[in-house]
Amino acid sequence: GESVGLHLPTLSVQEGDNSIINCAYSNSASDYFIWYKQESGKGPQFIIDIRSNMDKRQGQRVTVLLNKTVKHLSLQIAATQPGDSAVYFCAETLNYGQNFVFGPGTRLSVLP
Amino acid sequence: DTGVSQDPRHKITKRGQNVTFRCDPISEHNRLYWYRQTLGQGPEFLTYFQNEAQLEKSRLLSDRFSAERPKGSFSTLEIQRTEQGDSAMYLCASSFVLETQYFGPGTRLLVL
Repeated sequence: GESVGLHLPTLSVQEGDNSIINCAYSNSASDYFIWYKQESGKGPQFIIDIRSNMDKRQGQRVTVLLNKTVKHLSLQIAATQPGDSAVYFCAETLNYGQNFVFGPGTRLSVLP
Repeated sequence: DTGVSQDPRHKITKRGQNVTFRCDPISEHNRLYWYRQTLGQGPEFLTYFQNEAQLEKSRLLSDRFSAERPKGSFSTLEIQRTEQGDSAMYLCASSFVLETQYFGPGTRLLVL
């Protein structure tokens, strides 16, 4: 399939290490945020979400941190695996789910 | 597989021709969204429906684009008089109101 994000920023990590992917969002009024993973030739896949009344949320191997003061979102992936290699997008929205605005994306490359 | 399906998965057309894409959302979802994604970019919002009503349209959606969701279930996106700049991945997503969007695999359009 066609590659997603040929010229995106790339984060390379060793298999087993932790990964941190950062995102600066644009609208201080945004109240809902999602991280998506996109593999080549596929649609974005939901990973984890967080509402603006929280600053941290944990899932299985993933943690999202929200810093509203500086409009910053991060995705932490524990014990990164080869299957985590993909492009990761953050998305923000007002009113909990109308027009989502996606960030530019980061390519995660997991080295053996 | 998120349960959102799109057809066709790939479409090659000549400039000036009309094309129509179909999206079948997750059956219980009342919201349906269309996005466009070009290489190296995140998805860009085009329009969304709540049931059969089209509630918002992006300025990206020129008058050559039209979307319908006649019975509040599947949706179609038509592009008339295609241009080379229309070449992109067209993504559909569905959700409940105020909930996470789940994306389909996308339709990749190439205009020659």
